[in-house]
Amino acid sequence: QKEVEQNSGPLSVPEGAIASLNCTYSDRGSQSFFWYRQYSGKSPELIMSIYSNGDQEDGRFTAQLNKASQYVSLLIRDSQPSDSATYLCAVNANSGYALNFGKGTSLLVTP
Amino acid sequence: ETGVTQSPTHLIKTRGQQVTLRCSSQSGHNTVSWYQQALGQGPQFIFQYYREEENGRGNFPPRFSGLQFPNYSSELNVNALELDDSALYLCASSSGTGLYEQYFGPGTRLTVT
Repeated sequence: QKEVEQNSGPLSVPEGAIASLNCTYSDRGSQSFFWYRQYSGKSPELIMSIYSNGDQEDGRFTAQLNKASQYVSLLIRDSQPSDSATYLCAVNANSGYALNFGKGTSLLVTP
Repeated sequence: ETGVTQSPTHLIKTRGQQVTLRCSSQSGHNTVSWYQQALGQGPQFIFQYYREEENGRGNFPPRFSGLQFPNYSSELNVNALELDDSALYLCASSSGTGLYEQYFGPGTRLTVT
């Protein structure tokens, strides 16, 4: 079983819609959760961090965490074509120092 | 505030050669982690350096080694390059080990022929 799982997509949403990206993880001891955005040919850029159950909002982005279900999600409101990228879910390993990444979900926002 | 920088940007090496990649951490950060990202995959953790000591290591062979310097910059060395080492090598800095946010540099694209 992979430690961090994401649907590879592509997820296609129209401009202005809400994009919903999901991630599940296997390590119940994980304590910190991150979403990175990666444009083609570029490095990952941190967009959201979440550490406790519930929602964390930052502008158009909302991260949601449910530790009981071992589930993290990212909502992007009012999606823009510039949001088209691969979104990587990262979870800290039980050891505390490494991040375990999913393979990423490709998001395409169509005008 | 200076972000994470890496050099070189691109590198082409021949199988069996050795390579050194460099990373300068973000201002105020004392921890550097290295990741390997193959095409279509998420980054894979190689190792982390904190206060010039290796703080943890992923599932990579000993021919992957590193250093951290007193100014918190870091090097990744790979000996006896193999074709499968072709990847994007990412350096991430953070203000500590454990649960801190990690910020990535632009990466070094290594091609092994």
